[in-house]
Amino acid sequence: QKEVEQNSGPLSVPEGAIASLNCTYSDRGSQSFFWYRQYSGKSPELIMFIYSNGDKEDGRFTAQLNKASQYVSLLIRDSQPSDSATYLCAVTLPFSGGYQKVTFGTGTKLQVIP
Amino acid sequence: SQTIHQWPATLVQPVGSPLSLECTVEGTSNPNLYWYRQAAGRGLQLLFYSVGIGQISSEVPQNLSASRPQDRQFILSSKKLLLSDSGFYLCAWSAPGTAHNLPLHFGNGTRLTVT
Repeated sequence: QKEVEQNSGPLSVPEGAIASLNCTYSDRGSQSFFWYRQYSGKSPELIMFIYSNGDKEDGRFTAQLNKASQYVSLLIRDSQPSDSATYLCAVTLPFSGGYQKVTFGTGTKLQVIP
Repeated sequence: SQTIHQWPATLVQPVGSPLSLECTVEGTSNPNLYWYRQAAGRGLQLLFYSVGIGQISSEVPQNLSASRPQDRQFILSSKKLLLSDSGFYLCAWSAPGTAHNLPLHFGNGTRLTVT
């Protein structure tokens, strides 16, 4: 089982719709959860981070965390063509010495159709 | 505000040649620093991380090494490149602290092609 799993997509949504991106993780000891956006050929850019169960909203983005189900999601409302990118889910996993290590999923490609 | 600089942006090197990639962070002290590699169509792989000057931890044994000669400088090196070293190399920083729970912020990356 992969430590962080995402559907590779592509996920296609029409402009103005809600895009829903999902991620599952394997270790119940994970403490921190991040979503990054990566445009083709560019480096990842942090969009959201969430530490507690529930929802966290920032503009058009909402991150949702369910630790019992080991599930984290990202909702993008009013999707725009400029949102077309690969979205990386990142999770911290327990590591030696009490540290947490950030581990990335392979990403979901989102296509917003005008 | 904090900024991270990484260079060069692209690099084409022959097999067996040496490598040196450099990364510097501005606007913060004692950051955690990281080197990741992203191979084509694959996820980000953590190569090295550092919590302070001279403190380097390696995630994956390979022909790469890292050094942190100054607080905000992180260098990735190789004595002899392999074809399999091709990829997108990303330097990242996070706020000081040992827990590594905090968000990572990435530089613009170096696209390395080994021929």
